[in-house]
Amino acid sequence: KQEVTQIPAALSVPEGENLVLNCSFTDSAIYNLQWFRQDPGKGLTSLLLIQSSQREQTSGRLNASLDKSSGRSTLYIAASQPGDSATYLCAVETSGSRLTFGEGTQLTVNP
Amino acid sequence: GAVVSQHPSWVICKSGTSVKIECRSLDFQATTMFWYRQFPKQSLMLMATSNEGSKATYEQGVEKDKFLINHASLTLSTLTVTSAHPEDSSFYICSARLQPRGQVSQPQHFGDGTRLSIL
Repeated sequence: KQEVTQIPAALSVPEGENLVLNCSFTDSAIYNLQWFRQDPGKGLTSLLLIQSSQREQTSGRLNASLDKSSGRSTLYIAASQPGDSATYLCAVETSGSRLTFGEGTQLTVNP
Repeated sequence: GAVVSQHPSWVICKSGTSVKIECRSLDFQATTMFWYRQFPKQSLMLMATSNEGSKATYEQGVEKDKFLINHASLTLSTLTVTSAHPEDSSFYICSARLQPRGQVSQPQHFGDGTRLSIL
């Protein structure tokens, strides 16, 4: 059974800092890995999707890497802003289009 | 970008009531839609996968007679919580996905969720 773990569970940083969120998964037989953002009481916004054959994806200040063999992914956020405050979830897709989510990292960026 | 609309956003109702939640893909055709449940401070748990024109596939432990899913068209799936009880109170989120392009899987696009409170 696929299990996804995210570390840290919560993170508080001053504005402008670069930061890294970590995600690990137990079964490397994945189709892709996605990073999402969730604001309180809201649904999910897809940030980046990395196909299993890819090593990284970039969008603006966000960079996500994938090391499938070791079961790890990182989300790098450059020059963090208060608007980046949210819960960040990673999810891996396995057979049957099934997404398994981690429990998220709650990020607070202080002005 | 792909937009998924979920309605209603918040429901409060009495125990024993049945509640229907709609999930629509507004600007694309979704052959597959997914229903998730999220308890406070926890992550999303997949409840069922819904393919247009066929019966939904439920995850282990999810009662299909309790959570009725209908995916009658390529843009609409509904989740009906039948005879809801307080323990059904949760945040329900749907997602929809474009058809895969060859070997390239497409991201799931999520609705804004429905907060269900059963009194």
